[in-house]
Amino acid sequence: NAGVMQNPRHLVRRRGQEARLRCSPMKGHSHVYWYRQLPEEGLKFMVYLQKENIIDESGMPKERFSAEFPKEGPSILRIQQVVRGDSAAYFCASSPPWDLWAPGGFFGPGTRLTVL
Amino acid sequence: AQTVTQSQPEMSVQEAETVTLSCTYDTSESDYYLFWYKQPPSRQMILVIRQEAYKQQNATENRFSVNFQKAAKSFSLKISDSQLGDAAMYFCAYRSPNPRDDKIIFGKGTRLHILP
Repeated sequence: NAGVMQNPRHLVRRRGQEARLRCSPMKGHSHVYWYRQLPEEGLKFMVYLQKENIIDESGMPKERFSAEFPKEGPSILRIQQVVRGDSAAYFCASSPPWDLWAPGGFFGPGTRLTVL
Repeated sequence: AQTVTQSQPEMSVQEAETVTLSCTYDTSESDYYLFWYKQPPSRQMILVIRQEAYKQQNATENRFSVNFQKAAKSFSLKISDSQLGDAAMYFCAYRSPNPRDDKIIFGKGTRLHILP
């Protein structure tokens, strides 16, 4: 059973470009969480999604950021018109619907975004 | 709002010795979950240990144990017989039991150095 998969692992964008980060949850997991880690900081919650629904987006910046988790395929975190301050590591975590403990245990390896 | 504070940005310990990492948190909830995560240079988030607040017994996982003081809102991690592979960032984290408030709140981390 593969773990949480994220790709790409490293992404370089120039200011003004779009960044698309993908997260494939573990098999059987229908809940996905995105976190952002700025340099020398802890992880900060961004958004919590279930299949086709955004449950909590209280940590998402109001502009340029969006997330989706379609019925089929990976969850996508999209950042439009990236700025240097978006440079960070973005982590995805997943859990099955019956185990609320699981968000504590199943993190992906992260995508490191660098904005030039 | 819940907060997690790690007051030690860096610590060092001699190999084979014991070290304790501190964590305090603030919440108005009576039940909740607490975690310690390890983040090695690979940046993978690894769950080290977790504690349910309603359980009085301190959690233990091999060389890792916690000292959970609910009244003091303190959750320290003790690493016994430190090994070189324990060198990493360690994050203390909190999670509400409310399934609609499913995000994990992280402290800023403590960087642990193991001295050979």
